[in-house]
Amino acid sequence: QKEVEQNSGPLSVPEGAIASLNCTYSDRGSQSFFWYRQYSGKSPELIMFIYSNGDKEDGRFTAQLNKASQYVSLLIRDSQPSDSATYLCAVNNGNKLVFGAGTILRVKS
Amino acid sequence: NAGVTQTPKFQVLKTGQSMTLQCAQDMNHNSMYWYRQDPGMGLRLIYYSASEGTTDKGEVPNGYNVSRLNKREFSLRLESAAPSQTSVYFCASRTYTEAFFGQGTRLTVV
Repeated sequence: QKEVEQNSGPLSVPEGAIASLNCTYSDRGSQSFFWYRQYSGKSPELIMFIYSNGDKEDGRFTAQLNKASQYVSLLIRDSQPSDSATYLCAVNNGNKLVFGAGTILRVKS
Repeated sequence: NAGVTQTPKFQVLKTGQSMTLQCAQDMNHNSMYWYRQDPGMGLRLIYYSASEGTTDKGEVPNGYNVSRLNKREFSLRLESAAPSQTSVYFCASRTYTEAFFGQGTRLTVV
């Protein structure tokens, strides 16, 4: 079982819609979680960090964490074509930072 | 403020050659990481270092060695390169709330 699992996609949404990206993890002791965005040929860039159960909002982005069910999700409201990228979920276990394979998001105008 | 600097940006090696990828950060972070990224595979952790003088294996350590030379520098060495090590390599350093990435090294082994 992989430590961090994501649906590879692609997830296609129309411009202006809500994109929902999901991530599950296997280690119940995982402490904190990240969402990164990566454009083709570029380095990953941080979107969100979350460590408490519940929702965390930052602009058009909302991260949702449920430790009991071992999943973390990212909602992107009012999706724009510029949001088209690969979204990477990362899980922190102690000092170890493990990433999922990423979900490709395509926003169609 | 340079952040995380990786060298080189591109490299072509012949099978069996050795090389060292260099990474340096100027943010005084304790933790540093090496990842490889292949199409459809996300970022796979090769090795990490929680602090100066310590290193630990990640998900895919075979064929690699690392050195945490000091707090700033964390190098990745390929002793005998293989075509399966063709990949993009990223170095990162982190605080508790954010990991900062270098620009990546695109390595091709022929």
